[in-house]
Amino acid sequence: RKEVEQDPGPFNVPEGATVAFNCTYSNSASQSFFWYRQDCRKEPKLLMSVYSSGNEDGRFTAQLNRASQYISLLIRDSKLSDSATYLCVVIISNFGNEKLTFGTGTRLTIIP
Amino acid sequence: DTGVSQDPRHKITKRGQNVTFRCDPISEHNRLYWYRQTLGQGPEFLTYFQNEAQLEKSRLLSDRFSAERPKGSFSTLEIQRTEQGDSAMYLCASSLLHTSGGNTGELFFGEGSRLTVL
Repeated sequence: RKEVEQDPGPFNVPEGATVAFNCTYSNSASQSFFWYRQDCRKEPKLLMSVYSSGNEDGRFTAQLNRASQYISLLIRDSKLSDSATYLCVVIISNFGNEKLTFGTGTRLTIIP
Repeated sequence: DTGVSQDPRHKITKRGQNVTFRCDPISEHNRLYWYRQTLGQGPEFLTYFQNEAQLEKSRLLSDRFSAERPKGSFSTLEIQRTEQGDSAMYLCASSLLHTSGGNTGELFFGEGSRLTVL
């Protein structure tokens, strides 16, 4: 089983719709969680952190479910510019060593 | 530009040749990571440094791969005896680990070095 798993998609969603995707992680010792965005042929960039209490940044909401070991990303009122691959990242810390593991990414295309 | 820079951006080589990539992180960042990414996949962890110390290496990193960060600033990733399966984008990222502890999780990536092995 992969440490971090995502549905690769693609998700093709009409502009203005709401879309959500999940990311599951296998290691219960995972401590920190993030969503990154990667545009085509570009490097990944941090989108938002995922806090235990959930967090919202404009149209984006991230949530963590430790019991079921998944994180989610919700995008409301989707825009054409939201088209990208969304990568979840999990950090496992072990005696001062930290390993940041990326999921395979979920590709999202917003359709006009 | 004070971001992460990688060189070369593209490298085409023949199977069996050695290649070396360089990464210059953001100057005050103490952590430096190497990832590999192939089409349709997420970045795959290779190794990372805190200052000049290499703290972890992936099991995926065969003995043909070696990385250094001799002075805790720039880093090099060398692949010896390249194979066609090494063709990928090699991404470098840096971050700042605060002395108060904890990694913010924000990695700043370079634009990558694309390797094609013929």
